[in-house]
Amino acid sequence: QKEVEQDPGPLSVPEGAIVSLNCTYSNSAFQYFMWYRQYSRKGPELLMYTYSSGNKEDGRFTAQVDKSSKYISLFIRDSQPSDSATYLCAMSDGGGADGLTFGKGTHLIIQP
Amino acid sequence: KAGVTQTPRYLIKTRGQQVTLSCSPISGHRSVSWYQQTPGQGLQFLFEYFSETQRNKGNFPGRFSGRQFSNSRSEMNVSTLELGDSALYLCASSWDRSRTQYFGPGTRLLVL
Repeated sequence: QKEVEQDPGPLSVPEGAIVSLNCTYSNSAFQYFMWYRQYSRKGPELLMYTYSSGNKEDGRFTAQVDKSSKYISLFIRDSQPSDSATYLCAMSDGGGADGLTFGKGTHLIIQP
Repeated sequence: KAGVTQTPRYLIKTRGQQVTLSCSPISGHRSVSWYQQTPGQGLQFLFEYFSETQRNKGNFPGRFSGRQFSNSRSEMNVSTLELGDSALYLCASSWDRSRTQYFGPGTRLLVL
């Protein structure tokens, strides 16, 4: 079992829809959770950063962490074609020994 | 602030050669991490440098090495290149340990 599981997609939704992206993990030591967006042939761009459990909102993006279930989510409201990209979840125990542990990413397509 | 920069952006090498990639972190960031991204394995942690010292290393062979200079700029070197080393090599910088990391655009390496 991989440490971080993420559905690779592709996930195709119409413009304006609410998008839900998810990751599950097995390492209970993870405390720091991030979502990155990566466009084709570009480096990952940090979208959201959350410590421990709870919700965090930034504009159209909401990140949720449920440590009891080892489950994290990213919601995108009013999705736009420009949101089409690969979304990577990443997490860390804070100690840095293994860097960030990434999911393999979900390829999201927003249809105009 | 300028972001993380990486040079060169693209490289083509042949098996057995060696390659050096360069990364300049965000100003003020002292931690630099390197990752390898491939379609099959996703993003995998190579190593992290902080104040010119390698603090952590991922599960990669000794052919992969790096260093960091006093101005926090970092280089990674891959010796005796193999076909499987073809990948996008990403550098990320952060102010503290491996929590919130900001990525560069990457160097795409093709080994023929």
